Amino acid sequence: GENVEQHPSTLSVQEGDSAVIKCTYSDSASNYFPWYKQELGKRPQLIIDIRSNVGEKKDQRIAVTLNKTAKHFSLHITETQPEDSAVYFCAASIGGEYGNKLVFGAGTILRVKS
Amino acid sequence: GAVVSQHPSWVICKSGTSVKIECRSLDFQATTMFWYRQFPKQSLMLMATSNEGSKATYEQGVEKDKFLINHASLTLSTLTVTSAHPEDSSFYICSAPTDLAKNIQYFGAGTRLSVL
Repeated sequence: GENVEQHPSTLSVQEGDSAVIKCTYSDSASNYFPWYKQELGKRPQLIIDIRSNVGEKKDQRIAVTLNKTAKHFSLHITETQPEDSAVYFCAASIGGEYGNKLVFGAGTILRVKS
Repeated sequence: GAVVSQHPSWVICKSGTSVKIECRSLDFQATTMFWYRQFPKQSLMLMATSNEGSKATYEQGVEKDKFLINHASLTLSTLTVTSAHPEDSSFYICSAPTDLAKNIQYFGAGTRLSVL
């Protein structure tokens, strides 16, 4: 089955700096790659996603890149702010009879120091 | 985005009892919902896929007789943890895609289960 690896497990940056989180996936049939932000004790919130027919997508300070050949995708956050501190999860969508299931990476704890 | 409601948000129960968790899609119909479990400081692990009108599909290693799933309508799926034990204590979260083709999933707020 699909396996998603995520690095780093923790990331500390200074406010205003950029943060990059990387994920690799194993199933070449995966075609949808969302990123979720989760604050302590709360639900995961979708922050950006990308599909396999696109190489890059940007939404204000957040961008995601996808390299299908290498089977990896990355989240880029620029001009980080303290409120960006949270746990970030990448995921890959694998096919299923009843819609596409998501397989999540292990998560990255991002700390933005002011 | 779409709204997925999950209830209760927090429950404490005695060992051996059963607990029911509800997941509702408030402003869209969901023929499929997903149930995840998340242990502290860990990732979300898919437990099962809930299917309206048919049996749930369980992931490998998840006991279907212990985690009963019922997708009663196009807006409601329930997860019942039967004969709960302390090791079942976890954060349980449901999600639902608004459009299976687009696969954008929205999550419920989660249920923190503590089994004494």
